Amino acid sequence: EPEVTQTPSHQVTQMGQEVILRCVPISNHLYFYWYRQILGQKVEFLVSFYNNEISEKSEIFDDQFSVERPDGSNFTLKIRSTKLEDSAMYFCASIPTGENYGYTFGSGTRLTVV
Amino acid sequence: QQQVKQSPQSLIVQKGGIPIINCAYENTAFDYFPWYQQFPGKGPALLIAIRPDVSEKKEGRFTISFNKSAKQFSLHIMDSQPGDSATYFCAARRAGSYQLTFGKGTKLSVIP
Repeated sequence: EPEVTQTPSHQVTQMGQEVILRCVPISNHLYFYWYRQILGQKVEFLVSFYNNEISEKSEIFDDQFSVERPDGSNFTLKIRSTKLEDSAMYFCASIPTGENYGYTFGSGTRLTVV
Repeated sequence: QQQVKQSPQSLIVQKGGIPIINCAYENTAFDYFPWYQQFPGKGPALLIAIRPDVSEKKEGRFTISFNKSAKQFSLHIMDSQPGDSATYFCAARRAGSYQLTFGKGTKLSVIP
């Protein structure tokens, strides 16, 4: 079964450093998402991306965050200057079309900011 | 208005029992209600989903019951097994949006 692949599985970074989280969505999917889950809490929407632009973003997704699909296969989330409160599990997800709402999530990247 | 309230926070049942997880919402613009299952260290996986024009949907041992007037929906797991032990999240999607609003999750433990 096709998978959404995320790398790395765990990233430790110092506060103030930039991090890039990488995702390879399922190849024929057109809509891409980032969600995060702080340990033991609910999954929260960050951003959706379609046709090479952001279609929706939450209040969490401030100027410190950006997304990019640099080469037609990878989908990245960049955090410019990490804060302690950015420590969370970050999940990438994708869906094939706007009519299919059944997200496929990746296994996540655990980001630890120290 | 964007919240989805989920209960209970945790649930322990014996093998063969029928755990029931409940969710409630306020926003009548929600038009799609999925349930996700998450095992430790993994991403959420879609289990079953329902739209508000249907009062019940069954897939295998998993059933969603939907009460539109009460703005509530629930997940029932028939003949639960230890392998069903996981965290379950309800979610909702607003019409015209692609983002999902998740509940806080229910940690289910099925003991042999």
